[in-house]
Amino acid sequence: SQTIHQWPATLVQPVGSPLSLECTVEGTSNPNLYWYRQAAGRGLQLLFYSVGIGQISSEVPQNLSASRPQDRQFILSSKKLLLSDSGFYLCAWSSLIPGQGFTTNEKLFFGSGTQLSVL
Amino acid sequence: AQTVTQSQPEMSVQEAETVTLSCTYDTSESDYYLFWYKQPPSRQMILVIRQEAYKQQNATENRFSVNFQKAAKSFSLKISDSQLGDAAMYFCAFLRWGGSEKLVFGKGTKLTVNP
Repeated sequence: SQTIHQWPATLVQPVGSPLSLECTVEGTSNPNLYWYRQAAGRGLQLLFYSVGIGQISSEVPQNLSASRPQDRQFILSSKKLLLSDSGFYLCAWSSLIPGQGFTTNEKLFFGSGTQLSVL
Repeated sequence: AQTVTQSQPEMSVQEAETVTLSCTYDTSESDYYLFWYKQPPSRQMILVIRQEAYKQQNATENRFSVNFQKAAKSFSLKISDSQLGDAAMYFCAFLRWGGSEKLVFGKGTKLTVNP
């Protein structure tokens, strides 16, 4: 069965420090991968998505970046964190194949999230 | 660009009663998916129900059902026989078929269930 791992669960970082959040998927190949951010009391904002290795699409210009060094690995990074980067970060994957549909009954699978506090 | 609007930031319902959460969306596409996700205090995202736009029949999952009005671009969620465990944030989401694989979420509705 497919599983998604996201870590760490919580992170406290000082302003100006670097960031690296990692997400890995098991039990599937060539997933579409996503990074979402949820600010306190707000909805989910799509930050990045990837349809393949090395293919990253950015939704919101900011000081964050994403990389996909392997098929099932998605990394969210920052060289220098800002206070406004605080929030709950969710990794997700989907099995949607463009033009062919989903390969699983459920469409989008979420990780357990990372609560990032920038102080 | 697609947008999803949830006009009710908060809703409350008495246990065992029925509540309806509203969602509207804006798109020029004809093929897409719509979802309702539940986020309890644990913050885990849980799929509640999904609807394929090409299906006219409204989706139903036990106590959860939707009223999908494609022409009006409306996708409301009805929770029947509300239970205390239904208390959570509920997010409506849109996914376009066959193009960009982005799932776009609304800002959510916080549902409180009163005993």
